[in-house]
Amino acid sequence: AQSVTQLDSQVPVFEEAPVELRCNYSSSVSVYLFWYVQYPNQGLQLLLKYLSGSTLVKGINGFEAEFNKSQTSFHLRKPSVHISDTAEYFCAVSDPRVQGAQKLVFGQGTRLTINP
Amino acid sequence: DAGITQSPRHKVTETGTPVTLRCHQTENHRYMYWYRQDPGHGLRLIHYSYGVKDTDKGEVSDGYSVSRSKTEDFLLTLESATSSQTSVYFCAISESMTAIDGYTFGSGTRLTVV
Repeated sequence: AQSVTQLDSQVPVFEEAPVELRCNYSSSVSVYLFWYVQYPNQGLQLLLKYLSGSTLVKGINGFEAEFNKSQTSFHLRKPSVHISDTAEYFCAVSDPRVQGAQKLVFGQGTRLTINP
Repeated sequence: DAGITQSPRHKVTETGTPVTLRCHQTENHRYMYWYRQDPGHGLRLIHYSYGVKDTDKGEVSDGYSVSRSKTEDFLLTLESATSSQTSVYFCAISESMTAIDGYTFGSGTRLTVV
């Protein structure tokens, strides 16, 4: 079964600095990969997804992620963060080979805190 | 999200009592999911549904049951609540089996079992 590891539980960053949130998944076979953001007391919103094709994926709010098959990674990046980016971020994976409903498997989450 | 609502938003219940959480969607999506969110564990799948009366277990299904009698409603029941079931519960929906667009999530239900 697929699994996802988010290597940092908390990441503090100063405003306008770059940030990278790390995500590794367990399988080297083809996968679908997602990043979600959860603002306080809200549900999860889709930031971006990788299905196939270009390894650099751009999402909403200036975020992007790079798929690296050899390292089984899907790290999320933003060149300059804002206070409003303070949230929890979840990486998720699904296996398109599985028959039936595609179930997303989530990582443990990374809490991003932006300091002024 | 306007297309998916969870009720109640907050609930405090006593150990041993039954509890039912409701997920209601207006998107007519076939696939519905219940997850629980706990610190350090991210989101873990409890049960999911792939159509009316069609449900299956996820990775943490013990102590939970579900029902789906209509496309729009997916109910999660804790038959006899325990303190270990204190958590935030999220419902999610997906239009396609392959979930290539990801899921759409509700706002969550915060359940406290005392």
